[in-house]
Amino acid sequence: KQEVTQIPAALSVPEGENLVLNCSFTDSAIYNLQWFRQDPGKGLTSLLLIQSSQREQTSGRLNASLDKSSGRSTLYIAASQPGDSATYLCAVRGNDMRFGAGTRLTVKP
Amino acid sequence: NAGVTQTPKFQVLKTGQSMTLQCAQDMNHEYMSWYRQDPGMGLRLIHYSVGAGITDQGEVPNGYNVSRSTTEDFPLRLLSAAPSQTSVYFCASRLIGEAGNTIYFGEGSWLTVV
Repeated sequence: KQEVTQIPAALSVPEGENLVLNCSFTDSAIYNLQWFRQDPGKGLTSLLLIQSSQREQTSGRLNASLDKSSGRSTLYIAASQPGDSATYLCAVRGNDMRFGAGTRLTVKP
Repeated sequence: NAGVTQTPKFQVLKTGQSMTLQCAQDMNHEYMSWYRQDPGMGLRLIHYSVGAGITDQGEVPNGYNVSRSTTEDFPLRLLSAAPSQTSVYFCASRLIGEAGNTIYFGEGSWLTVV
């Protein structure tokens, strides 16, 4: 059974800092890994999707990497802003889609 | 495109009552699914469907029924609500087949069972 873990559960940083969110998974037989953003009281918004054959994806200040062999992905956020404050979830798609519990990020002005 | 639309957004039920959470998508996605999200836990898959007339169980199916009579709609039914079903429910959809297909989520339905 696929298990997805996200560390840390919560993170608070000052504005402008570069930061890394971590996601680990136990079964490397995946089709893709996706990072989502969730604002309070809202649904999930897809940020980046990395297919199993890819190593990384970039969108603006976000960069996500995937190391299937070690069962790890990282989401790098450059020059963080208060508007980045949200919960970030990773999900791996194998036979079904399994989610981590998320990292709650607070960026202080 | 409206994307994935869920109704109602908020609902309070008494133990033993039944209700249906509605989900509709206008993207012609074959795959639709229902998740529940509980505090401190990731989203857990309840049921999913890969096309009209086809449904299957996910990780936590007990207490829930689904049907898929059309491509667009995927309702989730609670036949006899229990306090353990208090949660936030998300419907999602995507195209099947390609590994690069993004999954899209509705805004969520907050359900409280008292």
